[in-house]
Amino acid sequence: GQQLNQSPQSMFIQEGEDVSMNCTSSSIFNTWLWYKQDPGEGPVLLIALYKAGELTSNGRLTAQFGITRKDSFLNISASIPSDVGIYFCAGQLTDGGSQGNLIFGKGTKLSVKP
Amino acid sequence: NAGVTQTPKFQVLKTGQSMTLQCAQDMNHNSMYWYRQDPGMGLRLIYYSASEGTTDKGEVPNGYNVSRLNKREFSLRLESAAPSQTSVYFCASSVRDRGIETQYFGPGTRLLVL
Repeated sequence: GQQLNQSPQSMFIQEGEDVSMNCTSSSIFNTWLWYKQDPGEGPVLLIALYKAGELTSNGRLTAQFGITRKDSFLNISASIPSDVGIYFCAGQLTDGGSQGNLIFGKGTKLSVKP
Repeated sequence: NAGVTQTPKFQVLKTGQSMTLQCAQDMNHNSMYWYRQDPGMGLRLIYYSASEGTTDKGEVPNGYNVSRLNKREFSLRLESAAPSQTSVYFCASSVRDRGIETQYFGPGTRLLVL
């Protein structure tokens, strides 16, 4: 089945640093989504990307839908302590029998540098 | 709006016991989903329901059954729990906008099977 490779698996951040993570796939997706999950909570949608090449911002977050439709990245600028959590990318097909089903990456865990 | 709610929050079962995880949404969404989340595995789709009265298998359906009781409620049943079903279970519902399904997640049910 389709798989998403999300990297890095984990990273440590110092307040004020910029953070970058990405997802790649062997399949083409029509939509890319980025979610954040806080401990003990469900994932919350951060950004949705609908068109190849699209660059979208949400506050300090910026995400891009790759031109090939097989990749996406998420940048967080000037990180703050509440940015810690697990970030998931998800690709979505919107045609065929899969309806709006999402394929999730395995997550990037952001932690604060000790 | 409560969004997506799940009960119970936590559950401990013995191998072979059965239980039903409940999910409800008050956003009038047509589609609902059940995922499981395991460490290092991201979110994997168990079953989904594109509309009231329909259900379909996802990536990992074995050992589970679902019921779309009405538009609001989508339950997940474990008939004979196994330790391999120890996981965090998330329910989600989605709305279609501009041809794109955007999923919203509940807070999760943490299940331990001994």
